Amino acid sequence: GQQVMQIPQYQHVQEGEDFTTYCNSSTTLSNIQWYKQRPGGHPVFLIQLVKSGEVKKQKRLTFQFGEAKKNSSLHITATQTTDVGTYFCAGGGYQKVTFGTGTKLQVIP
Amino acid sequence: NAGVTQTPKFQVLKTGQSMTLQCAQDMNHEYMSWYRQDPGMGLRLIHYSVGAGITDQGEVPNGYNVSRSTTEDFPLRLLSAAPSQTSVYFCASSLRTGQQPQHFGDGTRLSIL
Repeated sequence: GQQVMQIPQYQHVQEGEDFTTYCNSSTTLSNIQWYKQRPGGHPVFLIQLVKSGEVKKQKRLTFQFGEAKKNSSLHITATQTTDVGTYFCAGGGYQKVTFGTGTKLQVIP
Repeated sequence: NAGVTQTPKFQVLKTGQSMTLQCAQDMNHEYMSWYRQDPGMGLRLIHYSVGAGITDQGEVPNGYNVSRSTTEDFPLRLLSAAPSQTSVYFCASSLRTGQQPQHFGDGTRLSIL
């Protein structure tokens, strides 16, 4: 079956440093979604990418979808303590969505 | 709008017991799904539904049953609880398909002793 892997699994950064998480799929994706889960909370939708090579920005967050539509990345510039949480990518078929394993971000003040 | 509502928030069961996790949404979404979340394994799809009367299996369906008699409700049944089913369970919904943004409930934290 389809597999979606994320690296790294954990990341500790000093506040103000940048952070990047990478998402890799074993198959070509029609689109990819990114979610954020705060500690003790539920996943919250951040963004969806559809086109090959697409880049979208949300304030300090930059999302990219690979040219082959098999990988994606999320980059956070100048992290803040409010960025703490686990970031998931998700993609797959029309009905069955596969979530990545997630990257847990800790920000040290 | 309440969004996606899950009950209960916490539950402790003994091995072999059965129970139903409730999920309701008030957004008139066609697509609903159940995930389990275990440390280091992300969210894994258990079952999903594309509309009332239609359900299908996800990645890890064994030991779970679902039904969708109305658009609003999508209960998840554990038939005979096992310790391996200790997890956090999330219900989610989206407008029509799994490829659209999903709205998640707050989750049910389930422990099987």
